[in-house]
Amino acid sequence: GAGVSQSPRYKVAKRGQDVALRCDPISGHVSLFWYQQALGQGPEFLTYFQNEAQLDKSGLPSDRFFAERPEGSVSTLKIQRTQQEDSAVYLCASSLYTYEQYFGPGTRLTVT
Amino acid sequence: GQQVMQIPQYQHVQEGEDFTTYCNSSTTLSNIQWYKQRPGGHPVFLIQLVKSGEVKKQKRLTFQFGEAKKNSSLHITATQTTDVGTYFCVNAGNNRKLIWGLGTSLAVNP
Repeated sequence: GAGVSQSPRYKVAKRGQDVALRCDPISGHVSLFWYQQALGQGPEFLTYFQNEAQLDKSGLPSDRFFAERPEGSVSTLKIQRTQQEDSAVYLCASSLYTYEQYFGPGTRLTVT
Repeated sequence: GQQVMQIPQYQHVQEGEDFTTYCNSSTTLSNIQWYKQRPGGHPVFLIQLVKSGEVKKQKRLTFQFGEAKKNSSLHITATQTTDVGTYFCVNAGNNRKLIWGLGTSLAVNP
């Protein structure tokens, strides 16, 4: 079955580069979430979309982070001028109308 | 959502032993969700508890929600190596935002 997919699975960026991470949620899921997970930690909420509307972006750590979901399906998380502290796994999750969230495999970002 | 505290942070057991992880909150929770994350994997939803005193079972896993809705537990009977991973209890606020703690990392020695 089609679950949540994310691409790329791994990304190495030099400090200062911009990156774009893609999330394809489960078809029909109205809610989409982005999380950042550092090694040994639980996921930390970044932002939440309901369809194309970004309802909560309180977790975005700085204005270098930007997320969009223009047509209410695929979402992109963009990080500008990457820094070493941005190195983490970025998880995307989607859900229908319940609280149950389905996670993608994540994108492991390493900033060198 | 209110972050919940989870103990223990790490647990090593011999295969076949039981395992329990506990979550506590200083405030009443509207619900509690449990997720499992295998090493190198992504979180997988296990269950959601909503009602006071609720108990749910999934094969060898038993989930409880306290009467006061301030604590929850996950008990695994007769652990297997496939149970290895980190178990998170998570509170979902009304805005669906999940607040995660550190979880309990379970290691099972064969």
